[in-house]
Amino acid sequence: QSVLPQPPSASGTPGQRVTISCSGSSSNIGSNYVYWYQQLPGTAPRLLIYRNNQRPSGVPDRFSGSKSGTSASLAISGLRSEDEADYYCAAWDDSLSGVVFGGGTKLTVL
Amino acid sequence: EVQLVESGGGLVQPGGSLRLSCAASGFPFGGYEMKWVRQAPGKGLEWVSYISSSGGRINYADSVKGRFTISRDNAKNSLYLQMNSLRAEDTAVYYCVTSSFSEYDPPDYWGQGTLVTVSS
Repeated sequence: QSVLPQPPSASGTPGQRVTISCSGSSSNIGSNYVYWYQQLPGTAPRLLIYRNNQRPSGVPDRFSGSKSGTSASLAISGLRSEDEADYYCAAWDDSLSGVVFGGGTKLTVL
Repeated sequence: EVQLVESGGGLVQPGGSLRLSCAASGFPFGGYEMKWVRQAPGKGLEWVSYISSSGGRINYADSVKGRFTISRDNAKNSLYLQMNSLRAEDTAVYYCVTSSFSEYDPPDYWGQGTLVTVSS
């Protein structure tokens, strides 16, 4: 069981907006930054969002992150077929003194 | 350009040992904390271990504590993971990762990963 629960799956049609949630606690999301990653099959995770809502260069502005209290969410607008992938949230956990990850959400573009 | 290149993965029998290496380049390795993260086949990501820039602070996930040892050689720009008493559940792709922000940030740089398979 993941420390940061995420919905196992999400879906949308091209052009739609989808959101993926990530739930935590005061020891992780509540007191530390949230990161989001995209992982295509057979590849290493790719950073999408860092420090709650910042986008690295090269990440389209269709991707946005937000955090409120002990929860965070990733929004993808203008959904495209190439967005079909697994998405993970992550945060440092003060109690574990380590990084905790969400269980991952598989996004399907219908 | 930051590069992290893992090596040392392979097939090992249960109870066996393996040493993973990570060659770093493109950034001042000696000033950065480093971590290992793994991903079992078809599963999610799991943090394994952390080492501070000097090597003075180290931590492990409970699942590997007492069996795995993380270390680094700043002169060689290299990170290591010594894995002993390996179990089937240690089968995973192991990633060498780091954060350019702080040791309390999840990683923003990832290697390509090396596969460890524990099986008889």
